[in-house]
Amino acid sequence: NAGVTQTPKFQVLKTGQSMTLQCAQDMNHEYMSWYRQDPGMGLRLIHYSVGAGITDQGEVPNGYNVSRSTTEDFPLRLLSAAPSQTSVYFCASSSSGAGNYGYTFGSGTRLTVV
Amino acid sequence: GDSVTQMEGPVTLSEEAFLTINCTYTATGYPSLFWYVQYPGEGLQLLLKATKADDKGSNKGFEATYRKETTSFHLEKGSVQVSDSAVYFCALSASGSGAGSYQLTFGKGTKLSVIP
Repeated sequence: NAGVTQTPKFQVLKTGQSMTLQCAQDMNHEYMSWYRQDPGMGLRLIHYSVGAGITDQGEVPNGYNVSRSTTEDFPLRLLSAAPSQTSVYFCASSSSGAGNYGYTFGSGTRLTVV
Repeated sequence: GDSVTQMEGPVTLSEEAFLTINCTYTATGYPSLFWYVQYPGEGLQLLLKATKADDKGSNKGFEATYRKETTSFHLEKGSVQVSDSAVYFCALSASGSGAGSYQLTFGKGTKLSVIP
């Protein structure tokens, strides 16, 4: 009964470093998304995927890469971390898009870039 | 594009008080509407949803009615508890089968604190 699992929970990076935020779901969901949450901004979509091998950009994709080689995993890569990427990152999945059932969210990764 | 506007917080209420958090939206067609709740240190949880006009979503004593004529989806609870203290997000997903139907557009969130 894991749902959506995100690792790590906390991370501190130096400017210019790269890293990958991991996201895995065990519900066989087709749709997966990455959001970032910033104070006073709500959640904003970074990238999403409608199935293995298919990804697309959301509202704020710059500085991030994604790939979807399996149904279960949807990692988010920060290519060269910047202080503006300090945020809480949430991965989410859904069986049929957002409309019917909404999304199941992970518990988040709190990233600080110094 | 689509957008969601919800009342600014924070909101502080005494236990057993009535809660209303206003939410209005801008979207074409008939989007699906959601309320999510985020407890401290946790991810978002779906609280309730409505997929067509005049639908009422309800869960854990919370209710919201999809009002197409006023493009609103206000969250209400008759008697709040300390355990309801959290951040509440209104969200929508576009109708149809395009990219918008895969995505959630969120409001900025409303922090609720309930004091004994």
